[in-house]
Amino acid sequence: GAGVSQSPSNKVTEKGKDVELRCDPISGHTALYWYRQSLGQGLEFLIYFQGNSAPDKSGLPSDRFSAERTGGSVSTLTIQRTQQEDSAVYLCASSLRGQGKETQYFGPGTRLLVL
Amino acid sequence: GESVGLHLPTLSVQEGDNSIINCAYSNSASDYFIWYKQESGKGPQFIIDIRSNMDKRQGQRVTVLLNKTVKHLSLQIAATQPGDSAVYFCAEINTGNQFYFGTGTSLTVIP
Repeated sequence: GAGVSQSPSNKVTEKGKDVELRCDPISGHTALYWYRQSLGQGLEFLIYFQGNSAPDKSGLPSDRFSAERTGGSVSTLTIQRTQQEDSAVYLCASSLRGQGKETQYFGPGTRLLVL
Repeated sequence: GESVGLHLPTLSVQEGDNSIINCAYSNSASDYFIWYKQESGKGPQFIIDIRSNMDKRQGQRVTVLLNKTVKHLSLQIAATQPGDSAVYFCAEINTGNQFYFGTGTSLTVIP
């Protein structure tokens, strides 16, 4: 079946503008993760959704970052009043249940550039 | 002005040689480990995993070794091919199912 998809693949925005990044997880996967990958860095955890449970937002770097997951499927990561340091690749991953030791399947990422 | 950024560790190997990529993890409570491959412009792709009750696991052309004593993980790629050129990074998962990713190693295969 189809893998994790993300849109847009690239986004260039001006400092201070808001952006929305979209993630479509693998069908049937109940767990969804957002990560940020800056140049030369590992993956930085942002937020985790599992079914209907309250999301784990412990990785969000500031209150300018928020995410939603509607209907237990598609997720949107919103960055308000973007700053240049927000420039990074934003990766979404999903796994079947989010419990136990499961492999996370990643999307291709959205490359965000804040000018 | 000059931009300063972090540089990934790099490894260059000749096509056909074996590659060994290393990863040190920090949490002795981590009990599951995954190696991912990330090609340029793509998301990370699962390669192989290993649980802490094992010290070796083999896949197709890849072998993962786990040394819990020194908290070290390695990925061995046999007969490296140009298509293996990518960034490889390990992930450690602790007993709370939290993922921690390394910064990665950039592998370049020289034809």
